[in-house]
Amino acid sequence: DTGVSQDPRHKITKRGQNVTFRCDPISEHNRLYWYRQTLGQGPEFLTYFQNEAQLEKSRLLSDRFSAERPKGSFSTLEIQRTEQGDSAMYLCASSRGTGMNTEAFFGQGTRLTVV
Amino acid sequence: GIQVEQSPPDLILQEGANSTLRCNFSDSVNNLQWFHQNPWGQLINLFYIPSGTKQNGRLSATTVATERYSLLYISSSQTTDSGVYFCAVDSYNFNKFYFGSGTKLNVKP
Repeated sequence: DTGVSQDPRHKITKRGQNVTFRCDPISEHNRLYWYRQTLGQGPEFLTYFQNEAQLEKSRLLSDRFSAERPKGSFSTLEIQRTEQGDSAMYLCASSRGTGMNTEAFFGQGTRLTVV
Repeated sequence: GIQVEQSPPDLILQEGANSTLRCNFSDSVNNLQWFHQNPWGQLINLFYIPSGTKQNGRLSATTVATERYSLLYISSSQTTDSGVYFCAVDSYNFNKFYFGSGTKLNVKP
């Protein structure tokens, strides 16, 4: 169990640029989540996948945001035409999703700064 | 969704003191977890505790699901316990985690 891995850890980009983040979940976990956290707040749900299917998207996920999980393994979160308001910590988590133990584990996060 | 309220929002302790953090939630849940967010932002799992009581060293947690609250106890606090503690809940109705706003703990030497 190598844990949930996120890349990059930090990203500084200019407003208007596109950025892409990657998340590698724990291998036997079929559920993968993306969250966003701004300073002083708790994480807020963005979207989740059950295997390769994206089952729910938050209203926070504007049309500039897109997430994929090809083949139900790693996931990517892309933000197009970044805005200063997109600056936040982006957290990925994975879990078994169903069954007796649905404990979720989070990655180290990707801290995005839009200048 | 599920409303999650944590109290107190801020807590300052002297090293060696004990503390209790509380998490109230508004709906039935099948998953409740306590996390400690380290200075680099990673959420470290403390307890997976949808019901009952668990202990891990100086930390213990109790969830009373029927009354919709959970408590995290920290005994003999150390400066390394400082940080933000989050409670997060999930249910079959929603299939996502709802977080509280956290308790920011500062343990002074």
